[in-house]
Amino acid sequence: SQTIHQWPATLVQPVGSPLSLECTVEGTSNPNLYWYRQAAGRGLQLLFYSVGIGQISSEVPQNLSASRPQDRQFILSSKKLLLSDSGFYLCAWSVSPRDGNTIYFGEGSWLTVV
Amino acid sequence: SQQGEEDPQALSIQEGENATMNCSYKTSINNLQWYRQNSGRGLVHLILIRSNEREKHSGRLRVTLDTSKKSSSLLITASRAADTASYFCATPSYNTDKLIFGTGTRLQVFP
Repeated sequence: SQTIHQWPATLVQPVGSPLSLECTVEGTSNPNLYWYRQAAGRGLQLLFYSVGIGQISSEVPQNLSASRPQDRQFILSSKKLLLSDSGFYLCAWSVSPRDGNTIYFGEGSWLTVV
Repeated sequence: SQQGEEDPQALSIQEGENATMNCSYKTSINNLQWYRQNSGRGLVHLILIRSNEREKHSGRLRVTLDTSKKSSSLLITASRAADTASYFCATPSYNTDKLIFGTGTRLQVFP
């Protein structure tokens, strides 16, 4: 069966420090991969999505970047965090949701920038 | 933006009552999906309705879709305290695999 792992689960980082959140998927090949951010009590904002290795689509101009160095690995990074980067970050995978397939989420990473 | 809007933003009911949440979206779709999120957790898929369907049932869930109005509703019947969560609709982009989520409805079911 397919599983998705996301880490770290929580982190507190000072303003200006770098960030790396990692996500890996098991049990499937060539998945679509997604990074979402959720501000407290709000909806999900799509940050990046990837349809293959090295193929990243950025949805919102921001202080973040994403990379997909391997088929089932998706990394969210920042060189210098801002206070506004605080939030709940969710990694997800899917195989063609437009064809009726669902999207599966990791358990999320809570980021607090102080 | 393709992001859907959900209504109401928050809903509080007693156990046993029905809960109805509405979702509106902006562009043409192939399907619309509903997800549930417990506080501080990832989202979990509930039900999917395709653009050629008007109504779908799964257990205590009933979903309707009106493509002419670009809207969908999720009905939870005979609610339970365990249904307390946030509920989101999501629409895949018509010609890509982006999945855009609505703003969500926070449901509180009191015992």
